[in-house]
Amino acid sequence: QKEVEQNSGPLSVPEGAIASLNCTYSDRVSQSFFWYRQYSGKSPELIMSIYSNGDKEDGRFTAQLNKASQYVSLLIRDSQPSDSATYLCAVKTGGSYIPTFGRGTSLIVHP
Amino acid sequence: SAVISQKPSRDICQRGTSLTIQCQVDSQVTMMFWYRQQPGQSLTLIATANQGSEATYESGFVIDKFPISRPNLTFSTLTVSNMSPEDSSIYLCSVHIAGVETQYFGPGTRLLVL
Repeated sequence: QKEVEQNSGPLSVPEGAIASLNCTYSDRVSQSFFWYRQYSGKSPELIMSIYSNGDKEDGRFTAQLNKASQYVSLLIRDSQPSDSATYLCAVKTGGSYIPTFGRGTSLIVHP
Repeated sequence: SAVISQKPSRDICQRGTSLTIQCQVDSQVTMMFWYRQQPGQSLTLIATANQGSEATYESGFVIDKFPISRPNLTFSTLTVSNMSPEDSSIYLCSVHIAGVETQYFGPGTRLLVL
């Protein structure tokens, strides 16, 4: 059974701070890792993907992957109230079209 | 990416009735999927909609309850049959596009069954 674990939160951070969202996965052969953002009442939106160990930066977002520890994280720098949403971690093995989703972490950025 | 639309965007239905949800994509896609997301929960895959053949259902989901059609590479429907309040959920269509590693989601259909 493939599992993707996330702390449901809510994670509350002040505006301007760094928000750190974490995700662990059970399937060692996982190859592709994704972060989706889901605003309340909306559908998930892909914001980051990462495939290799290390960091990948895109604007205020940085995804970090450590395959040895089976751990992927998302850092949001200079957090804004508009970043308040649920962040879903998704993990996929090679050759599969279907990722396994975590339950999501609720992030609240307060002014 | 792809532009995905779903109809209806929301509905309130009576127990025992059925609702058909439509998903339209603006380009031909390899794979289409149907998910359910119950309040406060993550995404649960219902089935993979296969073009020209029967859908592939995940454990816990059956064709009699959730019949799916996929007549071509840009369109699919999901029917929620004989509804009960437990079927109240958001139903999401998603697509996998060749050459892209993950899925894109439609805007969802919010269903409330009374």
